[in-house]
Amino acid sequence: DGGITQSPKYLFRKEGQNVTLSCEQNLNHDAMYWYRQDPGQGLRLIYYSQIVNDFQKGDIAEGYSVSREKKESFPLTVTSAQKNPTAFYLCASSGQGVWTEAFFGQGTRLTVV
Amino acid sequence: AQTVTQSQPEMSVQEAETVTLSCTYDTSESDYYLFWYKQPPSRQMILVIRQEAYKQQNATENRFSVNFQKAAKSFSLKISDSQLGDAAMYFCAYRSADTGNQFYFGTGTSLTVIP
Repeated sequence: DGGITQSPKYLFRKEGQNVTLSCEQNLNHDAMYWYRQDPGQGLRLIYYSQIVNDFQKGDIAEGYSVSREKKESFPLTVTSAQKNPTAFYLCASSGQGVWTEAFFGQGTRLTVV
Repeated sequence: AQTVTQSQPEMSVQEAETVTLSCTYDTSESDYYLFWYKQPPSRQMILVIRQEAYKQQNATENRFSVNFQKAAKSFSLKISDSQLGDAAMYFCAYRSADTGNQFYFGTGTSLTVIP
């Protein structure tokens, strides 16, 4: 079945550590996105990529990094520079046509301990 | 960046009744798409309905329909015959080619369905 997979579902990180969230899709989508979801703030865009080896910063990119070496994969690294990383993270992918919807993974809940 | 506003943080509806969730957006573009997504307690985002700006006819998907007012930049979602499974967060989203095909989301409306 085609879809988008995020792992792990829950992640705990010690302060000062970097951590990488995985996102894989087999929908043959060119575009991929990372969002952060906090209560009352909706979905805020961290990074997005329209094509392999290219990505752009979203509204809240500070403290995060990404790579897009393969069409199927768009991992997100939460670095120690991110001051408040505890949040729910959603990965999405979509076709390039503006009429196409975003397909979402099940999310990763990151908690700093 | 485009702005999408959902002014109702929380709404409630009696089972089998109808409820309307509001969404407004700010844009100077003429061609774009609007979407409503549902996020149940499982937190899996699910597309409910989409609307193209050039289409005057309001989109409908079973019990879900929209009231699209392009001049007013309004895109409300009507849920008819509400069911317990409709309880969720609902997000309105905007997408256009002129803004790099990004999706812009509102802050969401939490819908409670009362049995």
